[in-house]
This record gives sequence, structure tokens and C-alpha cells, in this order.
Amino acid sequence: AQSVTQPDIHITVSEGASLELRCNYSYGATPYLFWYVQSPGQGLQLLLKYFSGDTLVQGIKGFEAEFKRSQSSFNLRKPSVHWSDAAEYFCAVSPSNDYKLSFGAGTTVTVRA
Amino acid sequence: GAGVSQSPSNKVTEKGKDVELRCDPISGHTALYWYRQSLGQGLEFLIYFQGNSAPDKSGLPSDRFSAERTGGSVSTLTIQRTQQEDSAVYLCASSRTGDPDYGYTFGSGTRLTVV
Repeated sequence: AQSVTQPDIHITVSEGASLELRCNYSYGATPYLFWYVQSPGQGLQLLLKYFSGDTLVQGIKGFEAEFKRSQSSFNLRKPSVHWSDAAEYFCAVSPSNDYKLSFGAGTTVTVRA
Repeated sequence: GAGVSQSPSNKVTEKGKDVELRCDPISGHTALYWYRQSLGQGLEFLIYFQGNSAPDKSGLPSDRFSAERTGGSVSTLTIQRTQQEDSAVYLCASSRTGDPDYGYTFGSGTRLTVV
């Protein structure tokens, strides 16, 4: 069975600084990879996804993620965070052609002025 | 509708009572999913519907949990004889098919508190 690890439970970053959130997965093949964001009291919003092709994918809100097969990683990055980026971020995986998403435990991002 | 709608948004119930949580997916989305998000935990898959049938209900934690979907649209998740460990946010999502290529749209969830 696939699993997802987000090593950082909580990250604090200054507004305007760069942000990187780590995600590692365990799966025999290249899965479908996703990053979601959840603001307080809200549902999950898809930031970006990777299925195949270019390993650097661009998403909404200025986020990007890079798939590294050799490291089984799919880290999320943003060059300059805004206060509105404070939220919880979830990495998720799904086997190709399957439907069930497996989520990491999430990383809470706090943005300080 | 424009998004996935869940009701109620908050529910407080006494231990041992039954509760029903409702999910109204995006019109035309044939696939519907229920997840549970417990405090400090990630999202736990509960059940998947394709149309009105549930080909995968492997995530339901016990026989106290059941779900149905009617008319290929609205789904209800029922928890019987609620326990304190059932307290969580229950999230519903829908997608155009069962293939994650099309992406999930999540509702805002129902926060269930069992006292």
C-alpha cells in the first residue's frame, strides 16, 4: 500500500520569505501526486498535481512542486509567501488509474509579519 | 451546484445517538468520496461511490458507519450509536469520474462533536 510522509508538522516563515514543504511517498510505481491547501474552516483546494512529463509543475497561487523519482519526493515551493498563505498543506498520492487518495498528515504554515 | 455542499456544517450529538451527514456533489460528478479528518491527523478514506453503487467501502471503520447515494447525486453518511472517537471533520468530495486525473472538489466538511 502507498503511504505519504510529510516530515514537518509545523513551519513558521516570514512574509516575503521562501517556503518549501516536504513530501515523500512510498509506492512501487510513479503515482499521481497532489498538493492541497486547507484554510481554517474550509475544504481542501487543489494547488497542483503531477501525473507525468515535466517534473516541475506549476500550480495556483504562485506555488510549484518538483517530482524527484530518485528521492520519492514531491516538494512544494513558493518563492515569496504572503500572509494569506497561512494554512494547512496536504500532500496526497494515488496509484495511476486508481481513485483513492492517500494523504499525508499535513504541514501547518504560519506566516509572521 | 457550483461546489460541493455539506450539511450541517457543525453537529454536536450525545454519545449513543445516531447522526446523518449530507453531501450534495457538483452536478454531473459521478464519483463521490467520503473522508474523515481527525484532530492532528491526515485525511482517512471512508467510502467511494460511482453513481449509486459503492465499489469501495473498505475505509468504513465499523459497522456503525454506513452510507448511501441516491439518484447519482446526494449522499448521506450515517453513524449509528456515536462514540467519542467518532468526533472529527467529515469531508465529502466529488469528481467527474473515478479517475483522479479530473481532480477532486472538496466540500467544507461537517464538524462532528460527540459529547
